[in-house]
Amino acid sequence: GAVVSQHPSWVICKSGTSVKIECRSLDFQATTMFWYRQFPKQSLMLMATSNEGSKATYEQGVEKDKFLINHASLTLSTLTVTSAHPEDSSFYICSARVGLRGPHPGELFFGEGSRLTVL
Amino acid sequence: AQSVTQLDSHVSVSEGTPVLLRCNYSSSYSPSLFWYVQHPNKGLQLLLKYTSAATLVKGINGFEAEFKKSETSFHLTKPSAHMSDAAEYFCVTAGYQKVTFGTGTKLQVIP
Repeated sequence: GAVVSQHPSWVICKSGTSVKIECRSLDFQATTMFWYRQFPKQSLMLMATSNEGSKATYEQGVEKDKFLINHASLTLSTLTVTSAHPEDSSFYICSARVGLRGPHPGELFFGEGSRLTVL
Repeated sequence: AQSVTQLDSHVSVSEGTPVLLRCNYSSSYSPSLFWYVQHPNKGLQLLLKYTSAATLVKGINGFEAEFKKSETSFHLTKPSAHMSDAAEYFCVTAGYQKVTFGTGTKLQVIP
């Protein structure tokens, strides 16, 4: 199947700093990418949906100025946690939906996730 | 609107016995349904998917699921549990612009 690479896998930062997480589709073009957050012992919560070249659509309750999402190309989306605080510590996962052309049309693939710890 | 309901938050089975993880869906159209597994501190791994082809879907590691429209169910099964199956399992439904996760079922395998 197709591969979605997330980087970094682990990141520790100081409170008040910003952290960028990258999500790349390695062998396909992703027309849509999704960002999720997983709280301990809970299901994944969709944070936002991003389409290449347009603004992300955020779910209710997600601060768009806090969690900046950029989907500048068909193979890369980034999530920047700005002015991170300890309560932002979480497991963040991205997924990418394959375009309708090429192999696996319309399918969804997930990254391995990024664990953020804010001290 | 689309949604999935995982009926059990925890399932405990003995090694070598069958596994049944239940999922019911709600969708106004023919859904795409997936089962994912997540081991501790790891990302999601696709077990299997249903996309309106065969109703019985075979996945990796001996798992399979049957799409039953009359029951709006997509239960995940495995004939014989292995210790390495202990993980959290998510039932997922996906439209083109929306993906909805179930609340997850934690599978415990007792030696």
